[in-house]
Amino acid sequence: GNSVTQMEGPVTLSEEAFLTINCTYTATGYPSLFWYVQYPGEGLQLLLKATKADDKGSNKGFEATYRKETTSFHLEKGSVQVSDSAVYFCALSDRGGSYIPTFGRGTSLIVHP
Amino acid sequence: SAVISQKPSRDICQRGTSLTIQCQVDSQVTMMFWYRQQPGQSLTLIATANQGSEATYESGFVIDKFPISRPNLTFSTLTVSNMSPEDSSIYLCSVELAGATYEQYFGPGTRLTVT
Repeated sequence: GNSVTQMEGPVTLSEEAFLTINCTYTATGYPSLFWYVQYPGEGLQLLLKATKADDKGSNKGFEATYRKETTSFHLEKGSVQVSDSAVYFCALSDRGGSYIPTFGRGTSLIVHP
Repeated sequence: SAVISQKPSRDICQRGTSLTIQCQVDSQVTMMFWYRQQPGQSLTLIATANQGSEATYESGFVIDKFPISRPNLTFSTLTVSNMSPEDSSIYLCSVELAGATYEQYFGPGTRLTVT
């Protein structure tokens, strides 16, 4: 079956530091990959996506590249802000296999001033 | 994109009672899902809400405990029945838009506390 593995949190950084949150996946087909963000007290929002190998998704300074050879979709940002403090979820949707979307366990990011 | 609303946003309920959560979407969508998110945890899929037919439940979730309705393409309800404190959680509705990318859009969630 499909699965998504994320690095455990919390990740604690100072403002303007570089961020990497690792995500690897297992899928039976050719999945689309996503990063969602959940701010405190809110639902999840789509942050970025990539639909095929070597695609790079980007939004709000965040980037992630779909690496089929390493089955990874790591989230990066060059300079984090306090307002980026949230929980980040890696996810996949695989129409070649089960249609059920699969989420990672989430990684909490805390950014200090 | 899609705008999704959920009602209620939060509730405190007594054990043994039931609560129905509503999810309304501003456009017609094919796929609607209900998730549970326990404190500090990831999302657990409860079921896929099917329009005009019975929902498809994931392992560990049953219709008697979590009856779901979806009378049309823009509306669904989830009922949490005979509640216990273990049902305290955030319940999230999500939809998937048609197209090649299959991204999901989430409602703001319903925060349920059972005492």
